[in-house]
Amino acid sequence: EMQLVESGGGLVEPGGSLRLSCEASGFSFTNAWLSWARQAPGKGLEWIGHIRSWADGGTLYYTESVEGRFTISRDDSKRTLYLHMNSLEIEDTAIYYCSTMGSASFNSWGQGTLVTVSS
Amino acid sequence: QSALTQPRSVSGSPGQSVTIFCTGTSSDVGGYNYVSWYQQLPGKAPKLMIYDVTQRHSGVPDRFSGSKSGNTASLVISGLRAEDEADYYCCSYAGSDYVFGTGTKVTVL
Repeated sequence: EMQLVESGGGLVEPGGSLRLSCEASGFSFTNAWLSWARQAPGKGLEWIGHIRSWADGGTLYYTESVEGRFTISRDDSKRTLYLHMNSLEIEDTAIYYCSTMGSASFNSWGQGTLVTVSS
Repeated sequence: QSALTQPRSVSGSPGQSVTIFCTGTSSDVGGYNYVSWYQQLPGKAPKLMIYDVTQRHSGVPDRFSGSKSGNTASLVISGLRAEDEADYYCCSYAGSDYVFGTGTKVTVL
């Protein structure tokens, strides 16, 4: 069974940093394209970015609002996807989800991890 | 990229059909056949329902169908059931990035 489990969320002050992890099981992680999305409390979904498999170049893509502050990375040996978040702003408060990608879609999602940016 | 426009809510009685529209631009919905739809039950993660405009994801009942005309995509839920009550989001590829819709709450009366 395909499973994604996010962790690393919590309370952080504005300007702070946090690293989220997404541990995967039940599918070929090496060949997977992987993505991060978020959902602010009571709001809609927002794509953050994604990373291709290394076989497809490992290319990274980000939405404009996080470019330069957030970095996506992957460790295939640990079957883990990461989201490194710097210079966090109050507006970054959200549930963060990782997902696998299919044909221009987000196929299987984790349960999410809550990040709260507040002083 | 601005969010795709969806109605805030739609409703229908059990057995009826409801349609959710998702309006974008020629840079997203109208420019690619890469529209997907997600169902999100309260307190749960989103779940892929439709991809590539019309393709049902594995395990999704054929009561759910997708289509597109110009810059507007549509999700039809036929034979509405109580368990279909949820938030629904469209999403479109927009040439290296992705944009989600504003979300629609489906209420089963």
